[in-house]
Amino acid sequence: DSGVTQTPKHLITATGQRVTLRCSPRSGDLSVYWYQQSLDQGLQFLIHYYNGEERAKGNILERFSAQQFPDLHSELNLSSLELGDSALYFCASSDWRASGYNEQFFGPGTRLTVL
Amino acid sequence: QKEVEQDPGPLSVPEGAIVSLNCTYSNSAFQYFMWYRQYSRKGPELLMYTYSSGNKEDGRFTAQVDKSSKYISLFIRDSQPSDSATYLCAMTTLNTGNQFYFGTGTSLTVIP
Repeated sequence: DSGVTQTPKHLITATGQRVTLRCSPRSGDLSVYWYQQSLDQGLQFLIHYYNGEERAKGNILERFSAQQFPDLHSELNLSSLELGDSALYFCASSDWRASGYNEQFFGPGTRLTVL
Repeated sequence: QKEVEQDPGPLSVPEGAIVSLNCTYSNSAFQYFMWYRQYSRKGPELLMYTYSSGNKEDGRFTAQVDKSSKYISLFIRDSQPSDSATYLCAMTTLNTGNQFYFGTGTSLTVIP
């Protein structure tokens, strides 16, 4: 158990809908990262938050947004869902520093299915 | 061109075999290199990480980095059925704020 929790485990919804995925980082970790994992693209970095502030953006669509709250949990909002958004969404946390290496601890993921 | 390339496999080996998993990359700024193991329907977990070039050994696992060739490898000795998983390489630079770039993963099955 990494200490990172994600809810829900599974989500089934229809095209055009909006969903919210939730992540709670390990105790003491100020950084939260969101990744999307699909069969053909592998694990793709979406966005990084540090202590409530956005630090880096990866391949995140404009229909997707995220935020990190004062209690450090984070939410990833996916709107106007398309079939291609079906994937595993992982959250990871670390005690990020500006340089050097920080291990990222991954949660169990949320499996999103868009029908 | 993707920044990190990894052969997706699948790879199937008999128990006790030596397994070699590889990734290539294009960004010469990458300095930290990681191998993650992901069991089906679970989150990735860190196996090993190395800094810059060289070898690192941890039990049955050895990670190698050849920065001149932009090539990294993970060797698993005396492979066990419990090693059956997807192995993901990942890498990052010194100053990207810890943004990781992952390979697509190689699926490994170790047959008893």
